[in-house]
Amino acid sequence: SQQGEEDPQALSIQEGENATMNCSYKTSINNLQWYRQNSGRGLVHLILIRSNEREKHSGRLRVTLDTSKKSSSLLITASRAADTASYFCATPDQTGANNLFFGTGTRLTVIP
Amino acid sequence: GAVVSQHPSRVICKSGTSVKIECRSLDFQATTMFWYRQFPKQSLMLMATSNEGSKATYEQGVEKDKFLINHASLTLSTLTVTSAHPEDSSFYICSARSRTRGTIYFGEGSWLTVV
Repeated sequence: SQQGEEDPQALSIQEGENATMNCSYKTSINNLQWYRQNSGRGLVHLILIRSNEREKHSGRLRVTLDTSKKSSSLLITASRAADTASYFCATPDQTGANNLFFGTGTRLTVIP
Repeated sequence: GAVVSQHPSRVICKSGTSVKIECRSLDFQATTMFWYRQFPKQSLMLMATSNEGSKATYEQGVEKDKFLINHASLTLSTLTVTSAHPEDSSFYICSARSRTRGTIYFGEGSWLTVV
């Protein structure tokens, strides 16, 4: 299976704190993407980082990629209650089928 | 921005009946659409990939006769759950790949409850 794994599975923090989620994957990739999913809703694309990039920022989000370790991290700074959601990393299917394989996800709860 | 619409967002059906879920790309043409299934508190699992005008490619373990996928046009794919069982109750999400941009966009998902 090409599915990645994320840790922690669940994370609970106080508003204002930073949240860090990690993703490990198994195969070589061209890019890695992070998605957010509010409970019972669809996915929202957050950020894409390419294999030749080591770090990328978008607002309060910071993503790192270490292709040697086949891992990525998502950091949300100054968290807000509205950040409460599940976060998934996703890697493209390298067989050319164009689909995405999703990690197991991290359920983040930000306590006001 | 690009939008993918799924309908219905929630559906309840009786065991043994069939239910159809639609996935539409509203302002772009989608050469490929993907169907995922997600159980509560779990990740998305790819069920099948559908290309316009051709048969869908199913992932291992997914019954093609039970989960019928049709991709009749560049903006519409449908998933029909046949002879539904309570175990089919789940959240189904589609995504569509833009023909021109190559970007994948996700629908809002459809909750299926089989009683």
